[in-house]
Formats: sequence, C-alpha cells, structure tokens
Amino acid sequence: AQTVTQSQPEMSVQEAETVTLSCTYDTSESDYYLFWYKQPPSRQMILVIRQEAYKQQNATENRFSVNFQKAAKSFSLKISDSQLGDAAMYFCAYRSYNQGGKLIFGQGTELSVKP
Amino acid sequence: DAGVIQSPRHEVTEMGQEVTLRCKPISGHNSLFWYRQTMMRGLELLIYFNNNVPIDDSGMPEDRFSAKMPNASFSTLKIQPSEPRDSAVYFCASSVLAGAIGELFFGEGSRLTVL
Repeated sequence: AQTVTQSQPEMSVQEAETVTLSCTYDTSESDYYLFWYKQPPSRQMILVIRQEAYKQQNATENRFSVNFQKAAKSFSLKISDSQLGDAAMYFCAYRSYNQGGKLIFGQGTELSVKP
Repeated sequence: DAGVIQSPRHEVTEMGQEVTLRCKPISGHNSLFWYRQTMMRGLELLIYFNNNVPIDDSGMPEDRFSAKMPNASFSTLKIQPSEPRDSAVYFCASSVLAGAIGELFFGEGSRLTVL
C-alpha cells in the first residue's frame, strides 16, 4: 500500500522569504501523480501544484515549485516570496495513475507566515 | 462552472440521531470520493465511486455509515445512529476517471458536531 509522510508538523517563514516543505512517499508503482493541496482556515482544499511521475521536469506555478526526486521518492514544495495569504495547512498527496485511484494524503504541515 | 457542492455546511445533532450529508459532483466527473478530516486522524478516505459504483469502502468505519450514489450527479453519506466520535469535517470530492488531470476537486466540506 502507498503511504505519504510529511515529517514537519509546523513550519514558519518570514514574509518575502522562501520556505520548503518536505514530503516523502512509498510506492511500488512507476506511474502516478503527486500533489500539494493548501487548506486555509476557511477549510477549502485548494490545489497548489501537480506533478506527473513520468515527467522529469519539476512543476512550477508562479511562486510555487517542487523538487521531485523519483528515485528518492521525495516531493518537496518550495514557496518563494512568501505572503501572508500563504499561511495554511499544506498537504502532500499521492494518486495512482491507474483509473479511479484514490488520493492518499500526508499528515499535513501547518505553515505560518510572520509579517 | 460550479464546483463540488456539499450540504449542509454545518450540522449539529444529538447522539443517536440520523445524519445525511449530500454531495453534487462537478458535471462530467465520474469519480466521487468521501473523506473525513479530524485533528487526530487527518484526512481519511471513507469510500469512493467510479461511474456510480462503489469501488472501495474499506475506510467506512462501521455499519453505522453508509453511502449511496444513485446517479452521476448526486451522492449521500448517512450516519445512523450518530455518535460524538463522528464529529468531524466531511469532504466530498470528484474527478475524471482517466486523463492527464488526475486531481480531485473538493467541496467546502460539511462540519458535523454530534453532542
């Protein structure tokens, strides 16, 4: 069975600085998706960034980028130029590429942004 | 286009009462997921459907929980009888079965409090 581990329950960053959130996963599959979701206090789950395992290039969405290391089964999220609105719980998630695969979440990392 | 719609947003009930949570997935999506979120256990998958058929209900905690998807545009999660330990936020999510997208789109969640 696949598992996702986020080893940092809490992180803090100064506004305008850069922060990296860690995520590791375990799977025997070769094709899969990885995601980072953001959950602000409103509790809405918002997709931040997506990575397909077959793509070697790291995904980037504006200030958000990932460092995807397939062999090491590592998928970290880098937030550049942190803003107060980035404060939220961040979840790393895995989904099998096979049809209808469920999304498996890590435990989450609570990010606070200091002004 | 409307996102995943869940109702009610908040539900407060007394132990022993029946609770029904409702979900309307995004039109055209053919996978539907029910998750439960608590502080202690994080985000747990309860059950998911592909093309209205339940695929994996191994996360349903007890016989008190049941879920149905009578058609492609509607699903319910029922708890009968409810207990205080069922208090949580219940999320519904939908996605396409296959393709390059892979992500799940979440509703705003239903916060359940059982007294």
